[in-house]
Amino acid sequence: LAKTTQPISMDSYEGQEVNITCSHNNIATNDYITWYQQFPSQGPRFIIQGYKTKVTNEVASLFIPADRKSSTLSLPRVSLSDTAVYYCLVGGALGDTGRRALTFGSGTRLQVQP
Amino acid sequence: EPEVTQTPSHQVTQMGQEVILRCVPISNHLYFYWYRQILGQKVEFLVSFYNNEISEKSEIFDDQFSVERPDGSNFTLKIRSTKLEDSAMYFCASLEARTGLGNEQFFGPGTRLTVL
Repeated sequence: LAKTTQPISMDSYEGQEVNITCSHNNIATNDYITWYQQFPSQGPRFIIQGYKTKVTNEVASLFIPADRKSSTLSLPRVSLSDTAVYYCLVGGALGDTGRRALTFGSGTRLQVQP
Repeated sequence: EPEVTQTPSHQVTQMGQEVILRCVPISNHLYFYWYRQILGQKVEFLVSFYNNEISEKSEIFDDQFSVERPDGSNFTLKIRSTKLEDSAMYFCASLEARTGLGNEQFFGPGTRLTVL
């Protein structure tokens, strides 16, 4: 499994855009990049997944450069309720490898201030 | 929106006692998982289950642990003789696993297990 590195913590203010970058230098050809969010005392929640270029959904955008050795989760105009831990995961997404266990790192603790 | 549910939300037990944690995965999902998170630490994988058998398990999932899908809806995790270090949040997750979709596992709200 490709190892991921992301900042331990980040601070922001309401209304700002937050970008969390994850490094995954050893990403394999068939690996996808997935981000999860976890609030205190709750289970992780899927945010977004991508393979290359840019993916956008109603919650976030995911930017992946051509070499795929990093990815950036972008949260537009954060609010206090976006305070959570954000995990970057790398692994297979299709077929049998997509059904394997998720390996969580320590994540990035985002604190949004008023 | 369909969701994974878990019961109880909090379980307190004495060391050495057996506990059963219950989960109801999303109804059309085929893969089921248990994870745990000790307070302040990472989410750790325990076991995955498909087609009525374990498909993958971690080193944490030793002989004290077992899983079962006793009927068409419930998925249970049993700890035979609890230890103090089993105190953690236990999360159940399920995956639809349709062809072409990614590994979007849906997690339940968790059961907080406290072993005294």
